[in-house]
Amino acid sequence: DGGITQSPKYLFRKEGQNVTLSCEQNLNHDAMYWYRQDPGQGLRLIYYSQIVNDFQKGDIAEGYSVSREKKESFPLTVTSAQKNPTAFYLCASRWDTDTQYFGPGTRLTVL
Amino acid sequence: RKEVEQDPGPFNVPEGATVAFNCTYSNSASQSFFWYRQDCRKEPKLLMSVYSSGNEDGRFTAQLNRASQYISLLIRDSKLSDSATYLCVVNSPPGSGGSNYKLTFGKGTLLTVNP
Repeated sequence: DGGITQSPKYLFRKEGQNVTLSCEQNLNHDAMYWYRQDPGQGLRLIYYSQIVNDFQKGDIAEGYSVSREKKESFPLTVTSAQKNPTAFYLCASRWDTDTQYFGPGTRLTVL
Repeated sequence: RKEVEQDPGPFNVPEGATVAFNCTYSNSASQSFFWYRQDCRKEPKLLMSVYSSGNEDGRFTAQLNRASQYISLLIRDSKLSDSATYLCVVNSPPGSGGSNYKLTFGKGTLLTVNP
């Protein structure tokens, strides 16, 4: 089945640690996105990539990093510089229209 | 005006009721509009794209008013399974930060349909 997968579903991090969230898609979509969702808030764009080996900062990129070495994969690293990382992280991909399709998300909690 | 603003809700309606959600957007150059549905602790899923002429999909009707920069979603004959948060989504046009394909999400409107 085609789709977007994210792992892990739940992630716990100690303060000061970097963690990497996985996002994989087999939809052959060129563009991929990372969002963060906090309770009662809309989705906020962290980073996006429109093509392999290229990515741009979104609205809240500080404390995050990404790579896009393969079309299928767009991992997000939450670094220790991110001061409030506890959130629901959503990955999305897009083909040629504006419509974005989401993975199931990763819930990150800082202990 | 916020980029995308929605009725905060929550909306509590009985089964069979008709409910309407409103959304306004600030950038008059926006070209693509969507309604997504998000169940509790799940990812958003596309419900409908919104076209200039308005469009209908079963019990759901979406309308766009470009002059007023206003989008609506109407749900008729509400079902228990319609209970969710409904997100209004608008694209960010070129020149407002780069890509033509950035989307801006409203905070969502929570709907609870009661038996």
